[in-house]
Amino acid sequence: QVQLQESGPGLVKPSETLSLTCTVSGGSITGYYWTWIRQPPGNGLEWIGYIHYSGKTKYNPSVQSRVTISVDKSENQFSLKLSSVTAADTAVYYCARYTELLGKYYMDVWDKGTTVTVSS
Amino acid sequence: EIVLTQSPATLSLSPGERATLSCRASQSVSNYLAWYQQKPGQAPRLLIYGASNRATGIPARFSGSGSGTDFTLTISSLQPEDFALYYCQQRNNWPETFGQGTKVEIK
Repeated sequence: QVQLQESGPGLVKPSETLSLTCTVSGGSITGYYWTWIRQPPGNGLEWIGYIHYSGKTKYNPSVQSRVTISVDKSENQFSLKLSSVTAADTAVYYCARYTELLGKYYMDVWDKGTTVTVSS
Repeated sequence: EIVLTQSPATLSLSPGERATLSCRASQSVSNYLAWYQQKPGQAPRLLIYGASNRATGIPARFSGSGSGTDFTLTISSLQPEDFALYYCQQRNNWPETFGQGTKVEIK
């Protein structure tokens, strides 16, 4: 069974870059799309962007100028970098897998999430 | 960007009762809508995709309906483990968006 595990610092200073990595176990990163979602405290879910195992990416316009998602097939990992962070980027960050179901892709496997706080 | 409006914000019901959750889109999303369940401290779990298809392992008491702009998630008889937060999500237009959620709480 595929499992996802995030790693990265839980505290980032304002104006610095938030970096998280999601490691895929129990399956291959190849053949799938992978995504990052976040949830600010007390708020709903926001889609950040996705990456295909081939490296193709798409980002939410709300963060497009600051975000980079990359994939490392050899390590079975994908990563998120968000630059110039502010307190508004404080959130629980989730990585997830898309699976194609009836012609569209839906997030069917999620990691448990990691809290990232932006504070000096 | 498509806005998804969920109602009600909170639904107070007793175990065994029927829950009806609504999700309305600001423009048509065809049937490319999903429902997720989230419990405190846990990641969301996919319940319904394509508006009406149950994901693997989801009990039959969960059902979804609708197309275009109006969608419904129904839980036919609430079990104790169903009290949680529920989100709808559209995958028809970029960027994909989520509703603000409906909390189903014990009355």
